[in-house]
Amino acid sequence: DAKTTQPNSMESNEEEPVHLPCNHSTISGTDYIHWYRQLPSQGPEYVIHGLTSNVNNRMASLAIAEDRKSSTLILHRATLRDAAVYYCILNFGNEKLTFGTGTRLTIIP
Amino acid sequence: ETGVTQSPTHLIKTRGQQVTLRCSSQSGHNTVSWYQQALGQGPQFIFQYYREEENGRGNFPPRFSGLQFPNYSSELNVNALELDDSALYLCASSRWGEQFFGPGTRLTVL
Repeated sequence: DAKTTQPNSMESNEEEPVHLPCNHSTISGTDYIHWYRQLPSQGPEYVIHGLTSNVNNRMASLAIAEDRKSSTLILHRATLRDAAVYYCILNFGNEKLTFGTGTRLTIIP
Repeated sequence: ETGVTQSPTHLIKTRGQQVTLRCSSQSGHNTVSWYQQALGQGPQFIFQYYREEENGRGNFPPRFSGLQFPNYSSELNVNALELDDSALYLCASSRWGEQFFGPGTRLTVL
């Protein structure tokens, strides 16, 4: 399985943008880049995914490097409810999700 | 649209016992995956079922087994429970790409 590398933790002030980085230097051509997050005491929740182009949805934006070896999840205006563990995962179709330890995001009021 | 549900919410068992956890997938989703999440760790893939057939398995012993039913709901069975089986068990249903997770079953083995 291609692996991803994320910082263990990050902090951000409320109402400011947050950039969560992910390195995936061994990504294959068919791997999609997925982001999930897990709020306290809940199951993981899908955030966004992309293949090559940058993607936007109501929750976040995903910026993918031209060589696809890294990506950044962007929360445009963090709220306290965005405090969670964020997982960057490489996946194709319905294959298993291989979770790492993720990035624990703390939002400072 | 009903989301993924799991039962029971919490469960306490003793070593050596057997347990069955249940998952109802989201409407229209033909694939169910099970994950085990130990405290402070990311979820670990146990196995996946697609249209009632096992479709991939993680590094878990045979005492972890499963079923998927014609309505795509699923069961996870664990025999001969060990203390290390204490964890949050998550089920996720999918059709293509995005996986929808249930809230999990917290299993405690004493």
